[in-house]
Amino acid sequence: EIVMTQSPATLSVSPGERTTLSCRASQSVSRNLAWYRHKPGQAPRLVIYAASTRASDIPARFSGSGSGTEFTLTINSLQSEDFAVYYCQQYEKWPCTFGQGTKLEMK
Amino acid sequence: EVQLVESGGGLVQPGGSLRLSCSASGFTFSSYTMYWIRQAPGKGLEYVSAIHSDGRDTFYADSVNGRFTISRDNSQNTLYLEMKSLRTEDMGVYHCVKRRTLVTSGDWYFDLWGRGTLVAVSS
Repeated sequence: EIVMTQSPATLSVSPGERTTLSCRASQSVSRNLAWYRHKPGQAPRLVIYAASTRASDIPARFSGSGSGTEFTLTINSLQSEDFAVYYCQQYEKWPCTFGQGTKLEMK
Repeated sequence: EVQLVESGGGLVQPGGSLRLSCSASGFTFSSYTMYWIRQAPGKGLEYVSAIHSDGRDTFYADSVNGRFTISRDNSQNTLYLEMKSLRTEDMGVYHCVKRRTLVTSGDWYFDLWGRGTLVAVSS
């Protein structure tokens, strides 16, 4: 199966700043990659699919990029509601696999 | 309201069984492939099982194949996961998840998740 590796494991950032999360696939997944945001006790929520398409109701400060094996999720002007754990997920090959997550915490 | 609500989790001894349920509302449940995805304590998300919209085709992660059975009742808008021979490594929060596929591009993603139900396996 395709192994997804996210870095860093934890990111400490101040509100209002910009941050970038990384995700690497063990083999090419083309652009078949999604990002999810997960807050404790809540249901995970789709942020990005097809590597760079924002889900509905996701603000424009979120952007995704990349293809093949290297992907990034950039969040501009961090808001309090953005602090959570973010997971990348590939859907190029069965079974779909997730990264281990990047915890975005408030500095 | 569009939502998925899981139930049925609890504490069970190793080797025991549990049946999880997921009640769907606010969308046409019978039109969508559904998944169970779990998160072990301190770990990331892991695909467990999937079932096509009509229930005919089912899929399992290698780690649960032969022990877990996914099923659905489209008349009741409910998804199930029958878990047998539970192991400590099966412990975690189990999420019921809806998959959406874009016909034009073939892209798919998980567009609706439940909050999950906790499964604890311990003697």
